[in-house]
Amino acid sequence: AQSVTQLDSQVPVFEEAPVELRCNYSSSVSVYLFWYVQYPNQGLQLLLKYLSGSTLVKGINGFEAEFNKSQTSFHLRKPSVHISDTAEYFCAVSKLGASGSRLTFGEGTQLTVNP
Amino acid sequence: GAGVSQTPSNKVTEKGKYVELRCDPISGHTALYWYRQSLGQGPEFLIYFQGTGAADDSGLPNDRFFAVRPEGSVSTLKIQRTERGDSAVYLCASSPLVPGQGFEQYFGPGTRLTVT
Repeated sequence: AQSVTQLDSQVPVFEEAPVELRCNYSSSVSVYLFWYVQYPNQGLQLLLKYLSGSTLVKGINGFEAEFNKSQTSFHLRKPSVHISDTAEYFCAVSKLGASGSRLTFGEGTQLTVNP
Repeated sequence: GAGVSQTPSNKVTEKGKYVELRCDPISGHTALYWYRQSLGQGPEFLIYFQGTGAADDSGLPNDRFFAVRPEGSVSTLKIQRTERGDSAVYLCASSPLVPGQGFEQYFGPGTRLTVT
């Protein structure tokens, strides 16, 4: 079984500041890793994913994440945030190589960008 | 192109009633998933369809919950004898299961179910 821990439930930052949203996972097998964003009253949108290869993954809206296998982490970063980045962010994992494997989500981190 | 759609967007029902929630996946996507998201929580897996069959229903909380996908496209999540604890946003996702794409799932906007 897999589990995901998002270490911060809420992260307030000022506009144009850098931000890091932390995610750790636990799994007995290798996993794929994902970050999703959820804007108010909307569905989940994929920000980025790690499948294999380079451990630094770039996604949409200027976000990037780094996979660290030894620390079982997949932290999300953005060098300069905008007001429009205010949303709930979810880290998720699924089993590597398993056709149709379910996603296991963390509890989410609410990012609030203040002017 | 059209994304995953879910109807209704909101459903209010009385305790003990039966409800059906519908999901229209992206055309051609063979895999379909249902998740439930309670307030302040991440989505939790309910069931996964590969084509018409339920490949994994281990997330269904009890036998009041049932889902079908008779023609391998549209799916319906059915909840009998609803309880107040069933109140949540029910999310549907679909995936093309293309090798090398990490089985990316595309989510619909969800159905907010409120049981009074």
